[in-house]
Amino acid sequence: LAKTTQPISMDSYEGQEVNITCSHNNIATNDYITWYQQFPSQGPRFIIQGYKTKVTNEVASLFIPADRKSSTLSLPRVSLSDTAVYYCLVVFYNQGGKLIFGQGTELSVKP
Amino acid sequence: DVKVTQSSRYLVKRTGEKVFLECVQDMDHENMFWYRQDPGLGLRLIYFSYDVKMKEKGDIPEGYSVSREKKERFSLILESASTNQTSMYLCASNRGGEDYGYTFGSGTRLTVV
Repeated sequence: LAKTTQPISMDSYEGQEVNITCSHNNIATNDYITWYQQFPSQGPRFIIQGYKTKVTNEVASLFIPADRKSSTLSLPRVSLSDTAVYYCLVVFYNQGGKLIFGQGTELSVKP
Repeated sequence: DVKVTQSSRYLVKRTGEKVFLECVQDMDHENMFWYRQDPGLGLRLIYFSYDVKMKEKGDIPEGYSVSREKKERFSLILESASTNQTSMYLCASNRGGEDYGYTFGSGTRLTVV
C-alpha cells in the first residue's frame, strides 16, 4: 500500500499562494492521488483528484510529475477561511477506491 | 445539494449499551464507509460496503459491526460500547468506478461513559 508523507503543519498569510507537497513513493500504476480538506468538527471535503500532469478546478490545482512519486496541491491566494487540515491520499484502484488517511497538513492562514 | 446525513451529531451512551449510528446518503452511491477520527491517530477505516448486504472489514473492525439492508443506508453498530470507543464517527459514500470522490457526513461525536 502506498504510504503518503506530507508536512505536519504550514503557515501562510492571506493572499499568498500555498503549495503543499506530498510524497507517495510506492504508488501503483492505476492508483489516483486525491486531496481532502477538513475543518474542525466537520467531515473531510473532497478538493481535487488527479492521475498525472496537472489538474485544475475552481478551488485548487494539483501538479503530479511524470514519476508520480509526489504531488503538490496549490491553493491560490488563500484566505483565513482556508485554515484547515489538508490530506493527501492515494486511492487504491484495486481495492475499489478505499481511502487510507494519513496525518494531514495543518494549514494556518494569518491576516 | 448531495448529502450524507448522520442521524445524531452528539451521543452519550453508557458502557455496555448497544449503540446504533445511522447514515443515509441521497446520491444513489454504491459504496459506503465508516471511519472514526481520534486526535493524533487521524481517520481510521472501520468497515465499508460496496453493495447492499455486502460488508468488508477496514483497519479497525474489532468491537463494531455494520448493516446495509438498503442502498442508501449504512449502519454502524457497537454491540457493547466501551470507553475506548469514545470518538468522532464519520460516514462517507462514493459512486465507485473511476469516480473516487467521497462525500462525508458531518460526524457523530460519541461519548461512552
